[in-house]
Amino acid sequence: RKEVEQDPGPFNVPEGATVAFNCTYSNSASQSFFWYRQDCRKEPKLLMSVYSSGNEDGRFTAQLNRASQYISLLIRDSKLSDSATYLCVVRLNNAGNMLTFGGGTRLMVKP
Amino acid sequence: EAGVAQSPRYKIIEKRQSVAFWCNPISGHATLYWYQQILGQGPKLLIQFQNNGVVDDSQLPKDRFSAERLKGVDSTLKIQPAKLEDSAVYLCASSPERTIYYEQYFGPGTRLTVT
Repeated sequence: RKEVEQDPGPFNVPEGATVAFNCTYSNSASQSFFWYRQDCRKEPKLLMSVYSSGNEDGRFTAQLNRASQYISLLIRDSKLSDSATYLCVVRLNNAGNMLTFGGGTRLMVKP
Repeated sequence: EAGVAQSPRYKIIEKRQSVAFWCNPISGHATLYWYQQILGQGPKLLIQFQNNGVVDDSQLPKDRFSAERLKGVDSTLKIQPAKLEDSAVYLCASSPERTIYYEQYFGPGTRLTVT
């Protein structure tokens, strides 16, 4: 079983749509959670951290359910520029604070 | 602020040849990471340095991969000999020693093709 699992997609949605991505993680000792964004042939960049109470950043909302070991990302009013791969990332509370990346979910927003 | 620098950006080699990648992290960042990203997958950590010491290299195939960060600044990752399955993007990332956000800053990567 992979440590961090995501639906690879692609999710094809029209502009203005709302889309949600899910992610599950296997290690209950995981301490911190993030969503990174990776554009085609580019490096990953931090999109947002995920807090236990849920958090919002503009059109993006992240949720965490520790009991179910489940993380979600909701994008409202999708833009063409949102087209990218979204990586679910988990940090273990070990000496190196190692990050484990999921395989990514690809989003394509069409006009 | 300058980002993480990597070179070369692209490399094509034949199997059994050797190759080296270079990374210069963001100035002042104590922690440096090397990741391997195979097409269609997420980045997989190969090795993590804290200054010039290794924190984690549990996923580094040590029979063919080696990495060093001698002066605690820039780093090199070497593959010798390369195999077809080593074709991937090799990403270098860095982060400050103390950060409440645990954000890692990635370089543009080196795209390796082994033929």
